[in-house]
Amino acid sequence: EAEVAQSPRYKITEKSQAVAFWCDPISGHATLYWYRQILGQGPELLVQFQDESVVDDSQLPKDRFSAERLKGVDSTLKIQPAELGDSAMYLCASSQPAGVTDTQYFGPGTRLTVL
Amino acid sequence: QKEVEQNSGPLSVPEGAIASLNCTYSDRGSQSFFWYRQYSGKSPELIMFIYSNGDKEDGRFTAQLNKASQYVSLLIRDSQPSDSATYLCARGGDSSYKLIFGSGTRLLVRP
Repeated sequence: EAEVAQSPRYKITEKSQAVAFWCDPISGHATLYWYRQILGQGPELLVQFQDESVVDDSQLPKDRFSAERLKGVDSTLKIQPAELGDSAMYLCASSQPAGVTDTQYFGPGTRLTVL
Repeated sequence: QKEVEQNSGPLSVPEGAIASLNCTYSDRGSQSFFWYRQYSGKSPELIMFIYSNGDKEDGRFTAQLNKASQYVSLLIRDSQPSDSATYLCARGGDSSYKLIFGSGTRLLVRP
């Protein structure tokens, strides 16, 4: 069964350091999403790509976060510099747009701890 | 007011009982709704989606949608201890297809 791949699974860093997360969506899925989930809350969208183009990055803190999907396949999310409040689970999801029934499948996530 | 609201729980039910999880939403234009299950420390996994008023059944799971009342529910029949998890409700279906999640309801199934 096809799955969304993410790495690393866990990352511990000190504040002010740079971190990067990688995601490989399900083959053929044109849409890729990065979500952040703080403990006890639901996932919140950070950025959405359609192929290599950004569709929505309204909730991405652009002073420190950046995301790219250069060839429209895999994607990287970067944080520089990391802050204590960035500790969370970073989830990648992908979908093959299907209108109202568009269904997103999540990868295993990256648990980030900022010390 | 949050766009998607869920009771945080925990909802505790005995093994074999029906668990009823509820979700309300504020945007009347919402077209589709998704239920995800999330075990502690893991990522969300899709249970089912619904976009038409009424019931949709998939195995032990039934999703119910009432657009007039802006209410979505998930029923789990014959609950098992392995169903103990957080259940996330999300609304989707707008032009960008992005999902708006509730905070989730924690379900505990007692053996």
